[in-house]
Amino acid sequence: SQTIHQWPATLVQPVGSPLSLECTVEGTSNPNLYWYRQAAGRGLQLLFYSVGIGQISSEVPQNLSASRPQDRQFILSSKKLLLSDSGFYLCAWSVPPNTGELFFGEGSRLTVL
Amino acid sequence: QKEVEQDPGPLSVPEGAIVSLNCTYSNSAFQYFMWYRQYSRKGPELLMYTYSSGNKEDGRFTAQVDKSSKYISLFIRDSQPSDSATYLCAMRKNYGQNFVFGPGTRLSVLP
Repeated sequence: SQTIHQWPATLVQPVGSPLSLECTVEGTSNPNLYWYRQAAGRGLQLLFYSVGIGQISSEVPQNLSASRPQDRQFILSSKKLLLSDSGFYLCAWSVPPNTGELFFGEGSRLTVL
Repeated sequence: QKEVEQDPGPLSVPEGAIVSLNCTYSNSAFQYFMWYRQYSRKGPELLMYTYSSGNKEDGRFTAQVDKSSKYISLFIRDSQPSDSATYLCAMRKNYGQNFVFGPGTRLSVLP
């Protein structure tokens, strides 16, 4: 069966520090991968998605970047965090050709101080 | 107008009640409709998935899609305290990668 791992689960970072969140998927090949951010009282906001190694599409211009160095690995990064980057970050995957089912990891809660 | 609207609640019901959760949307291009359950500080869990209009039942859960009204519903029968969570609706078009989510409805089932 497919599983998705996301880490770290929680982190507190000072403003201006770098960020790296990592996500890996097991049990499937060539998944579509996604990074979402969830703010309190608001829907999930799509940040990045990837349909293959090295292929990244950005939905929202911001302080963050994403990379996909391997088929089942997706990384969310920032060189300098802002206070507004605080939130709950979720990695997700789906099976091409994307029938509509999206599966999430456990999330990473980021607090920027 | 937001693409997907959902009453944030909170919604409190007694154990055993039938729960009705709803979302409205504005974009007629949406074809896939999902319901997710999210416990506090956890990732969303896919509950129900439907394509286009119609009903789908899975155990105590029934999802309904009315594309003519741009309205989707999730019914929970015989609700349990373990159903207490935030329920998110989501939808996407036939093309593109963006799944659009509602803000979620917080449900409390009281024993």
